[in-house]
Amino acid sequence: DGGITQSPKYLFRKEGQNVTLSCEQNLNHDAMYWYRQDPGQGLRLIYYSQIVNDFQKGDIAEGYSVSREKKESFPLTVTSAQKNPTAFYLCASSTSGGNTGELFFGEGSRLTVL
Amino acid sequence: AQSVAQPEDQVNVAEGNPLTVKCTYSVSGNPYLFWYVQYPNRGLQFLLKYITGDNLVKGSYGFEAEFNKSQTSFHLKKPSALVSDSALYFCAVVRGSYNKLIFGAGTRLAVHP
Repeated sequence: DGGITQSPKYLFRKEGQNVTLSCEQNLNHDAMYWYRQDPGQGLRLIYYSQIVNDFQKGDIAEGYSVSREKKESFPLTVTSAQKNPTAFYLCASSTSGGNTGELFFGEGSRLTVL
Repeated sequence: AQSVAQPEDQVNVAEGNPLTVKCTYSVSGNPYLFWYVQYPNRGLQFLLKYITGDNLVKGSYGFEAEFNKSQTSFHLKKPSALVSDSALYFCAVVRGSYNKLIFGAGTRLAVHP
């Protein structure tokens, strides 16, 4: 079945440690996105990528980094510079071109920093 | 700046009754508007969208939404609610290009038997 796979589903880390969240899609989509979800705040865009080897900052990119070396993969690293990293992280993908707005989301990764 | 607002944190409805989840928007130009649903600890699922054309848009699971330009609203509706409709609902608008969506804060729908 086609879809987006995020791993791990739950992750616990100590303060000061970098963590990398995995996002893989087999939908053959060009565009991929990372969103952060906090209670009562909706989703906020961290980074997005329209094509391999290219990515752009979203609204809250500080303290995060990404790479897009393969079309299928868009990992997110939460660095120690991120002041409040505990959140639910959602990866999404879409076909490129135009603004259809139809994003396909993964199941999410819940990061808790102790 | 493009934005959407969902004025209700929670909506409570009895099963079988009609439901409405409200969304208002603020955009420059023609709005591209969307509704997504999220079940607990899951990702979001696309429900429906308005790009242009008929103001009443039909989507998945029997949901529909009405675009009202004069009231800058895009309320989500369903004629008869099910307990299984209980979830978190997000309204969203496209900002700029490349499917960058701005989401509202979300409205929790609780349908009681």
